[in-house]
Amino acid sequence: SQKIEQNSEALNIQEGKTATLTCNYTNYSPAYLQWYRQDPGRGPVFLLLIRENEKEKRKERLKVTFDTTLKQSLFHITASQPADSATYLCAPPRADKLIFGTGTRLQVFP
Amino acid sequence: KAGVTQTPRYLIKTRGQQVTLSCSPISGHRSVSWYQQTPGQGLQFLFEYFSETQRNKGNFPGRFSGRQFSNSRSEMNVSTLELGDSALYLCASSVGQGGYEQYFGPGTRLTVT
Repeated sequence: SQKIEQNSEALNIQEGKTATLTCNYTNYSPAYLQWYRQDPGRGPVFLLLIRENEKEKRKERLKVTFDTTLKQSLFHITASQPADSATYLCAPPRADKLIFGTGTRLQVFP
Repeated sequence: KAGVTQTPRYLIKTRGQQVTLSCSPISGHRSVSWYQQTPGQGLQFLFEYFSETQRNKGNFPGRFSGRQFSNSRSEMNVSTLELGDSALYLCASSVGQGGYEQYFGPGTRLTVT
């Protein structure tokens, strides 16, 4: 069955550094992949969608890559700020159903 | 534009009871999806409705059901509640099926005792 793995449960980085989160998927080939941010007690918020024919996509301080050969997506936050602290979820769909990873909890400390 | 709204926000039920949760999508959105989120299993897809028809279903027992009305509002129902049904139930709307970003509501926190 399909499996989504995000690199670690938690990632702690210092303010101003670049945070890099990893999403690996197995046993299927999604046509696109989405990234969401979730704060405690709230629903996820859509951040970026990248399609299989796009190698990279950017939005302000966010950058996503999509390597269909490695079956991996990388999510970067440059010049990270404490306000970026949240859980980040990747979601590569299968048969039009979004399959969410378990998430990486990012903590940016001053 | 108003966001996705879910009612109630919190609910406490007893094992064996049933519960109905409600979701109002963003105006103009025709697709509504439901998810269950627990600490152990993460965010899991329950089902998706589009134009009042269930288009997709996750791997949940038949105790979980839903429906969508002509105004795109949706309800989900869980019958014969079990302790393991305690979770945050999230509704998300999108403009169409597949390939579109989803806009999530704040969720309904269900506790089964």
